[in-house]
Amino acid sequence: RKEVEQDPGPFNVPEGATVAFNCTYSNSASQSFFWYRQDCRKEPKLLMSVYSSGNEDGRFTAQLNRASQYISLLIRDSKLSDSATYLCVLNGGSQGNLIFGKGTKLSVKP
Amino acid sequence: DAEITQSPRHKITETGRQVTLACHQTWNHNNMFWYRQDLGHGLRLIHYSYGVHDTNKGEVSDGYSVSRSNTEDLPLTLESAASSQTSVYFCASREGLATEQFFGPGTRLTVL
Repeated sequence: RKEVEQDPGPFNVPEGATVAFNCTYSNSASQSFFWYRQDCRKEPKLLMSVYSSGNEDGRFTAQLNRASQYISLLIRDSKLSDSATYLCVLNGGSQGNLIFGKGTKLSVKP
Repeated sequence: DAEITQSPRHKITETGRQVTLACHQTWNHNNMFWYRQDLGHGLRLIHYSYGVHDTNKGEVSDGYSVSRSNTEDLPLTLESAASSQTSVYFCASREGLATEQFFGPGTRLTVL
């Protein structure tokens, strides 16, 4: 299994839709998990950290399943401004460096 | 406000030339990183540093070097640019291993 795997998409959804992304990882020793957002031709920016108990930030909910080694991101009531690529990120490389998934592209249409 | 900057933002160079990309952060972070991003590959780690005079190779370090003479700067040098090094380069920094990593705006490098 690759270190971090994501469905590349694209996910094309209408405004107001609920969309979910999953990400699987291979390093069971990983301790920190994140979702980053990257707009076209821009730098990645932290969207949210992912905690063991699951966490929510407005329309965004992140879940971690250590047993199955996957994390998820749920976006409710999608907005046009949510259109971006979402990167699954975890620590686990050499000396705990971050490992980035290739990203899932989301396109929200009017 | 603290920030991380990169220069130049765009660069076109020729095969065989030496190129240096600058990265400067004002957060006083010890941890700094260089990535390249290409279609189909995502972000790949080139080099990283955990403090002054500390440098380490990442997964795609061949043809690149870095030096860390102070906390704020981690310049990336392409010793002899190759067309395969055409990419978007991102510098990043963070305080600790479990904290948010901040990225610079990126440098788009084209090697002809």
